[in-house]
Amino acid sequence: AQSVTQPDIHITVSEGASLELRCNYSYGATPYLFWYVQSPGQGLQLLLKYFSGDTLVQGIKGFEAEFKRSQSSFNLRKPSVHWSDAAEYFCAPFTGGGNKLTFGTGTQLKVEL
Amino acid sequence: KAGVTQTPRYLIKTRGQQVTLSCSPISGHRSVSWYQQTPGQGLQFLFEYFSETQRNKGNFPGRFSGRQFSNSRSEMNVSTLELGDSALYLCASSSGILAGAQETQYFGPGTRLLVL
Repeated sequence: AQSVTQPDIHITVSEGASLELRCNYSYGATPYLFWYVQSPGQGLQLLLKYFSGDTLVQGIKGFEAEFKRSQSSFNLRKPSVHWSDAAEYFCAPFTGGGNKLTFGTGTQLKVEL
Repeated sequence: KAGVTQTPRYLIKTRGQQVTLSCSPISGHRSVSWYQQTPGQGLQFLFEYFSETQRNKGNFPGRFSGRQFSNSRSEMNVSTLELGDSALYLCASSSGILAGAQETQYFGPGTRLLVL
């Protein structure tokens, strides 16, 4: 069955530390892949997306993600976390059919000062 | 350019009532999608409208319906509300020019619905 998994429900990092949020997908073909961020009381904002080509994708706010076909993963990274990065992060594969996105369960990021 | 706006932002209803939520997309965007977000089920796709036609539909009961007007504004309606319908309802717009996921979807802040 097609699915997307974000194994970490909560992650806490210190400000200035590096960050990696995991995303694994299970689809027959390589889907388009997205990462979104949701700050408290806000809607979703697109961080970055992968369609094809270079497997390392740069996004906004200093985030990047690497697509690894062999591991069916699309992990989000940031070298140095800022307190304002505290939010919930969603991995979302797109597998076709209009503009339908399938979201992972999300990872809540807490940043300690 | 103004972002996606949703009204109202907060809503309290009782079981059995119906509710209508509104979404105004970014100017020039013709595609509007709706999502439901709950702590238990996460973010789930409801439906998408493009040029006044429903283009895609998620796995929700018929109590959930929507429509899109000629100015691309969209409404979703939930009839016979149940406690489980309490959720944040998000809408997202995109231009509709490119096919599928090549377009970025821009999300509104959502309407938080509480059913008592």
